[in-house]
Amino acid sequence: DTGVSQDPRHKITKRGQNVTFRCDPISEHNRLYWYRQTLGQGPEFLTYFQNEAQLEKSRLLSDRFSAERPKGSFSTLEIQRTEQGDSAMYLCASSPPVPLRGTQYFGPGTRLTVL
Amino acid sequence: KNEVEQSPQNLTAQEGEFITINCSYSVGISALHWLQQHPGGGIVSLFMLSSGKKKHGRLIATINIQEKHSSLHITASHPRDSAVYICAVYPLIQGAQKLVFGQGTRLTINP
Repeated sequence: DTGVSQDPRHKITKRGQNVTFRCDPISEHNRLYWYRQTLGQGPEFLTYFQNEAQLEKSRLLSDRFSAERPKGSFSTLEIQRTEQGDSAMYLCASSPPVPLRGTQYFGPGTRLTVL
Repeated sequence: KNEVEQSPQNLTAQEGEFITINCSYSVGISALHWLQQHPGGGIVSLFMLSSGKKKHGRLIATINIQEKHSSLHITASHPRDSAVYICAVYPLIQGAQKLVFGQGTRLTINP
């Protein structure tokens, strides 16, 4: 399968714990996006990478959130000191170098539940 | 007010009916996506369009840039079309690469 993959698919954690999610984009895609989706809502933008550079971050991405894409391939999203409000589906998407604002290909998501 | 609004939020229809889902947006855009999300979360891109009309099988998407409005139509609807349909736009803000999403329309097609 050569689509976008995310790991884990589900994560249940206790409030205050740290969690890390991984996204592997389609191999030739240089752009990678993280979105968050709460129940009954559309996704909301969190952050965007072009190769290894993090070019844009949402105000939703508080100090407890950090994302990396160290070699311009896979990306990780870490949430420190999780809160119940962090419970959501975390979606990763990737897109190729051209066109500039083209189709984004989504992964299956990681569903986070904070108890 | 959200930058992207969809209507209706929920739609239930009988198999075979013609379905229309509407999307209105308040910002200038470079392109608009229609996406499909099945239970479990996976999102699939159906169309990306910046003008006119596109057709793929039983799905048709139209956009009117002047009126800031797009519609997704499904002809001869089938229970397997049941999903959440999401409209998303690329705003015309310099350097912006992110999509801005509507809240989604939950479609249920009964046999």
